[in-house]
Amino acid sequence: DTGVSQNPRHKITKRGQNVTFRCDPISEHNRLYWYRQTLGQGPEFLTYFQNEAQLEKSRLLSDRFSAERPKGSFSTLEIQRTEQGDSAMYLCAIGQGGLNYGYTFGSGTRLTVV
Amino acid sequence: DAKTTQPPSMDCAEGRAANLPCNHSTISGNEYVYWYRQIHSQGPQYIIHGLKNNETNEMASLIITEDRKSSTLILPHATLRDTAVYYCIVRSNNAGNMLTFGGGTRLMVKP
Repeated sequence: DTGVSQNPRHKITKRGQNVTFRCDPISEHNRLYWYRQTLGQGPEFLTYFQNEAQLEKSRLLSDRFSAERPKGSFSTLEIQRTEQGDSAMYLCAIGQGGLNYGYTFGSGTRLTVV
Repeated sequence: DAKTTQPPSMDCAEGRAANLPCNHSTISGNEYVYWYRQIHSQGPQYIIHGLKNNETNEMASLIITEDRKSSTLILPHATLRDTAVYYCIVRSNNAGNMLTFGGGTRLMVKP
């Protein structure tokens, strides 16, 4: 138990379909981050929330991607019209503001687009 | 963000100390050094972090050189379960304080 629950753990979808992932922190944290990790690479930042507000988006987050955190607790990441290049592990992390605090990552959702 | 350089892979014998180096020669005065590890098919796991002083916790020790241009993560008695990719990250005081991961070091602990 990492303190962050991500569902589903695995998702296989056909190209062109929409998918949605969910991140549920077990405890309250004001910051929530989404990362993407492709095979053999380190995680790459996608976006983050301060409470309900989405404050920064990476250039990796195309207009097919949308993320929400409606009540400042759980978050969803939706990918519309999936492409094979979207195949990756999608990781959620929670933390507090400031440099002197680490993040806690979930186990991720592995997406395979066929 | 300051860039880090790590060897792509290392081996260590079970029960011995694993010393993982990291160069971060462009680090700024207010940037922290963080270490995470990632075991296959899991999310990254926080290990330790520091600013200037050496740090120790139940998992590892972090030795930061006086000029802060490099650091070493020490796992004092490596076990097979320590086999993982270890990421050294310099964390900047940007707006989101996000972590920027590099390629990491793949540590293989062998019996």
